[in-house]
Amino acid sequence: DQQVKQNSPSLSVQEGRISILNCDYTNSMFDYFLWYKKYPAEGPTFLISISSIKDKNEDGRFTVFLNKSAKHLSLHIVPSQPGDSAVYFCAARGTSGSRLTFGEGTQLTVNP
Amino acid sequence: EAGVAQSPRYKIIEKRQSVAFWCNPISGHATLYWYQQILGQGPKLLIQFQNNGVVDDSQLPKDRFSAERLKGVDSTLKIQPAKLEDSAVYLCASSLTHHNEQYFGPGTRLTVT
Repeated sequence: DQQVKQNSPSLSVQEGRISILNCDYTNSMFDYFLWYKKYPAEGPTFLISISSIKDKNEDGRFTVFLNKSAKHLSLHIVPSQPGDSAVYFCAARGTSGSRLTFGEGTQLTVNP
Repeated sequence: EAGVAQSPRYKIIEKRQSVAFWCNPISGHATLYWYQQILGQGPKLLIQFQNNGVVDDSQLPKDRFSAERLKGVDSTLKIQPAKLEDSAVYLCASSLTHHNEQYFGPGTRLTVT
């Protein structure tokens, strides 16, 4: 039962353009959503989060959008840089605890 | 501030052998998590500790996996006996409390042959 899904295993964009990573969830009890970034041989690093009471959260080049009715969130990176090349995980947390449920990840490659 | 430390970084064992992983969380972090990440999948929570007590071990295969967090600081995760499907990266994470941001260690890559 995959409650958080990232349907694109990989994404390739040109430096300076926008990267859009997508995530869908099925559990309506999720109320907090996070994006993590992972480089090879390192653990995931927290990037940005959004509460279900908001529909947008921005931090520098990174913006997360939440569409609760569609159970969909997306991460926008503008402008994309080669150093952004990594695996990006979407994660969700429910109201009852702190367990994170992760998606499968999307490998982003930003080409110079 | 030192991050989450894990050892070993890599381990290769034969099936039916036992293995143990060690984690040292960020100082002062009360909550500690162990995740299993199989290739091509996202991390899956195995067990969560609050200080030295277990909060959530619902996804831990208790017939072969065990974990402890003595004194509420370091933690060890053990697999005995290992199966081929246990090949994965085992990630340890810690957070100040259960609702704060989780910080991950570099992981231990386990290969079972």
